[in-house]
Amino acid sequence: QQQVKQSPQSLIVQKGGISIINCAYENTAFDYFPWYQQFPGKGPALLIAIRPDVSEKKEGRFTISFNKSAKQFSLHIMDSQPGDSATYFCAASTRGSTLGRLYFGRGTQLTVWP
Amino acid sequence: DSGVTQTPKHLITATGQRVTLRCSPRSGDLSVYWYQQSLDQGLQFLIQYYNGEERAKGNILERFSAQQFPDLHSELNLSSLELGDSALYFCASSRTANEKLFFGSGTQLSVL
Repeated sequence: QQQVKQSPQSLIVQKGGISIINCAYENTAFDYFPWYQQFPGKGPALLIAIRPDVSEKKEGRFTISFNKSAKQFSLHIMDSQPGDSATYFCAASTRGSTLGRLYFGRGTQLTVWP
Repeated sequence: DSGVTQTPKHLITATGQRVTLRCSPRSGDLSVYWYQQSLDQGLQFLIQYYNGEERAKGNILERFSAQQFPDLHSELNLSSLELGDSALYFCASSRTANEKLFFGSGTQLSVL
């Protein structure tokens, strides 16, 4: 079964708008939540990550919001640009086992119209 | 460029055959991971090696095997290939077992 559920499957946003992608998980042992960005023909690249001891992390135009009690986390892309058009994956893992054993969501294909 | 090199980029083969995918991790990285990306299953963890030893195993079929060599490069061997094995196979590496991953560009496997 999918350990991390991601929505929406696809997202179309106007340039300058806010893109929001949501993820939910069940396993309370997860304690590392990264977001990856993937362009066609490339491997996923780490965008930003958060640990459950903080509720928000911001890096430039990208912000992760984390709700531990609801077991949900989301990615917000402010001032979305055409260059942000890519597939975004949320993921989760536990430091207790190995950080690199990531459970990925199914991905969100983001299209930003100029 | 992530610094992780995967070869070949594309591989076309027939059912029942065996193939080997190769991965060179970033310089200095001790840990190598293999992931499979398919339309059916999404991105799934297969296996991890750390400094030559198997560290974690995911949804890897018995027909698949991997190893990490003393020079830290890794190979993923896929045998008795089936149509359903067609997928994008990614290698990733990290400095230790608990640091962020860097993914290669993948090997696209097509089984005909």
